[in-house]
Amino acid sequence: SAVISQKPSRDICQRGTSLTIQCQVDSQVTMMFWYRQQPGQSLTLIATANQGSEATYESGFVIDKFPISRPNLTFSTLTVSNMSPEDSSIYLCSVEGTADYEQYFGPGTRLTVT
Amino acid sequence: DAKTTQPTSMDCAEGRAANLPCNHSTISGNEYVYWYRQIHSQGPQYIIHGLKNNETNEMASLIITEDRKSSTLILPHATLRDTAVYYCILLTNTGNQFYFGTGTSLTVIP
Repeated sequence: SAVISQKPSRDICQRGTSLTIQCQVDSQVTMMFWYRQQPGQSLTLIATANQGSEATYESGFVIDKFPISRPNLTFSTLTVSNMSPEDSSIYLCSVEGTADYEQYFGPGTRLTVT
Repeated sequence: DAKTTQPTSMDCAEGRAANLPCNHSTISGNEYVYWYRQIHSQGPQYIIHGLKNNETNEMASLIITEDRKSSTLILPHATLRDTAVYYCILLTNTGNQFYFGTGTSLTVIP
């Protein structure tokens, strides 16, 4: 299994600012994923990030709001831009596993926008 | 996009088997059934997955009906640490995107 870390673990941000969340994996992986979990809700896939190509966004999520970088096979960032209180959520990254497309999840970043 | 239906919540006595059902009546032939759980304030944790046959590992057993339209996750001897939200997810063997449903909140009672 992969060990995934995220930074920051939590943050409180002002409306209108941006926050970049980092995801680091202890092994090289091709595919990384970013999810959002709003308070009391299930996880929603934001985008899929492959190294060397543009991220693929799910319906309802756009690159201007959630730009993603994937500079190498062990690292990715998600930026939440021009934040509003509705962006208050837990943001999780995950990576593909080695067997049958399982995924391993990071601990999440808890974001509160005031 | 979630194509699974699960009860919202369940209780289970500590030490007893927890049986968590999942309906996936529109499952396709190439879709696997995956189970994950999310303990409060943590990232989801992989439990088990299967395609057609029943599966067992150190954490749980997965029973898939012959028509594959439903499945049951079995935790044989539930402990307090098994209290979590359990997600049943379908995943094709050509894609990697997980679409989570609402899950079942399992509470293990002492």
